[in-house]
Amino acid sequence: AQSVSQHNHHVILSEAASLELGCNYSYGGTVNLFWYVQYPGQHLQLLLKYFSGDPLVKGIKGFEAEFIKSKFSFNLRKPSVQWSDTAEYFCAVIGSGGSNYKLTFGKGTLLTVNP
Amino acid sequence: KAGVTQTPRYLIKTRGQQVTLSCSPISGHRSVSWYQQTPGQGLQFLFEYFSETQRNKGNFPGRFSGRQFSNSRSEMNVSTLELGDSALYLCASSLQGAGEQFFGPGTRLTVL
Repeated sequence: AQSVSQHNHHVILSEAASLELGCNYSYGGTVNLFWYVQYPGQHLQLLLKYFSGDPLVKGIKGFEAEFIKSKFSFNLRKPSVQWSDTAEYFCAVIGSGGSNYKLTFGKGTLLTVNP
Repeated sequence: KAGVTQTPRYLIKTRGQQVTLSCSPISGHRSVSWYQQTPGQGLQFLFEYFSETQRNKGNFPGRFSGRQFSNSRSEMNVSTLELGDSALYLCASSLQGAGEQFFGPGTRLTVL
């Protein structure tokens, strides 16, 4: 069964600090990987995605993630966080082979950025 | 382009009742997925539909069901509501299902 594990439940940072959120997945095949963000009171929205190619992907608002196939990881990074990055972040995986169609999410990491 | 819309946005029901939630995908998207979001369990996959066919289903009891219409709009139904069904129900649409999913605002269901 596919699963996603996010290492941190709650991360608290000061503005300008660097961010790295861990994500590991389990799936018996090739995958598409996503990071979604949920700002307070808003819809889930896509931060970035990995389908194939360059394992370092860049998303919106200065976020990036690196896919390390050997470690089944897809960690999210940002060099300098802002107060407006306060939100809940979700890592998600879906099989890319066209027979799964089940997007599985991690439990989420709540990021609090103090001004 | 209009986003994913869900109706109603809020619902209050009592135990034992049933409820139907509606989702209109982005125009041109044929895949619709449903998720349950709770503080304890996070986001859990309910089911996915494509061209009126259910292609995958999550680990939920048979009280949870869904369907998709020929215009790609989807409904989910929960019968015999339990207190534990209180949650935010999210709908997402995508072109094919394995790619990027676009989420609606959700329906907040409260079961009393």
